[in-house]
Amino acid sequence: NAGVMQNPRHLVRRRGQEARLRCSPMKGHSHVYWYRQLPEEGLKFMVYLQKENIIDESGMPKERFSAEFPKEGPSILRIQQVVRGDSAAYFCASSPGAGTEAFFGQGTRLTVV
Amino acid sequence: QKEVEQNSGPLSVPEGAIASLNCTYSDRVSQSFFWYRQYSGKSPELIMSIYSNGDKEDGRFTAQLNKASQYVSLLIRDSQPSDSATYLCAAPSSGGGSNYKLTFGKGTLLTVNP
Repeated sequence: NAGVMQNPRHLVRRRGQEARLRCSPMKGHSHVYWYRQLPEEGLKFMVYLQKENIIDESGMPKERFSAEFPKEGPSILRIQQVVRGDSAAYFCASSPGAGTEAFFGQGTRLTVV
Repeated sequence: QKEVEQNSGPLSVPEGAIASLNCTYSDRVSQSFFWYRQYSGKSPELIMSIYSNGDKEDGRFTAQLNKASQYVSLLIRDSQPSDSATYLCAAPSSGGGSNYKLTFGKGTLLTVNP
């Protein structure tokens, strides 16, 4: 049973480009969370999604960031017109239901140059 | 704002000692609590879940929950250098309806000295 799969593991983008981060949840999991982590800092909640629905996006910046979890395929976190401050580790976690155990992927390390 | 609070540490203990990590939460609706371990440069790894008041033991780890005090702790017995990591406490916080986003504390950095 494969775990949570994130890709790419490392992503380098120039300022102004778009970054697309993918997350395939564990089999049977329909809840996905995205978190951002800066070096030496804690996990910052960004967005919580269920299949085809955004449940809570209170941690997402209002501009340039969007997330989706379509009926088929992985969840996508999209960052448009990246800036240096977007450089961070982005983690995805999935769970089988609301309020249940969540398991993390290995993360995507985004570097904006 | 529903929050999960942890002492940021760092916490340093000698090898073989008991390490005690503490967490408080503000959302009285929370029914489940999780402890994660995160090594530097790695992703968080779930190590304990606890749903009922009292103690839950798993090997060298014991989680303790007191819902009346809104307090959850993690004890690590016979601490090993390999236990050196950041420990994150997490709880679902209710935003109404089906919104139970998983909220994390900032983590406690534990160092076990040989």
